[in-house]
Amino acid sequence: EDKVVQSPLSLVVHEGDTVTLNCSYEVTNFRSLLWYKQEKKAPTFLFMLTSSGIEKKSGRLSSILDKKELFSILNITATQTGDSAVYLCAGSHGNTPLVFGKGTRLSVIA
Amino acid sequence: NAGVTQTPKFRVLKTGQSMTLLCAQDMNHEYMYWYRQDPGMGLRLIHYSVGEGTTAKGEVPDGYNVSRLKKQNFLLGLESAAPSQTSVYFCASSYTQGGQPQHFGDGTRLSIL
Repeated sequence: EDKVVQSPLSLVVHEGDTVTLNCSYEVTNFRSLLWYKQEKKAPTFLFMLTSSGIEKKSGRLSSILDKKELFSILNITATQTGDSAVYLCAGSHGNTPLVFGKGTRLSVIA
Repeated sequence: NAGVTQTPKFRVLKTGQSMTLLCAQDMNHEYMYWYRQDPGMGLRLIHYSVGEGTTAKGEVPDGYNVSRLKKQNFLLGLESAAPSQTSVYFCASSYTQGGQPQHFGDGTRLSIL
């Protein structure tokens, strides 16, 4: 059975800190890994990773995939209160729907 | 662009009542999904559709039915609501199954008393 495990489940940091969120996966015939940010309502798409070792970056957020060790990390530098959200990781093998992890709840305090 | 629209946004039901949640997307996506989200449980797939007229079961299908009569709409039905179905329900759509990200609606908060 495919599964995606995120850690930690929750995290509290101060503004300006750097955080690393972890996502490990066991997905048969793995094709891609996706990260989403969920604030109050709909999850919004952040990154899709398909190749090992290639960092994707958007502002202060970056993510990388390790297909040998079956994990991905999401880094946020110089955190701000607006980064407070649940971050969801999902794995895909292309022929069936995404498999989501339970999410990491990040709280950034001033 | 409206994207994915869910109606209603909130609803309170009594045990045993029935209702239908509507999801509409204007992106011409083939694939549509219904999830439920409970505290600490992430997103769990209820049912999905790979195209007009098709439906398939997800991880937690019991107590729910779905229909995809038109490509842009995906309906989720609760025939006899139970308190265990109290949750936030999200609809999503995508061009392909795994190679493209899913786009989500804003959710329907459903409480069953």
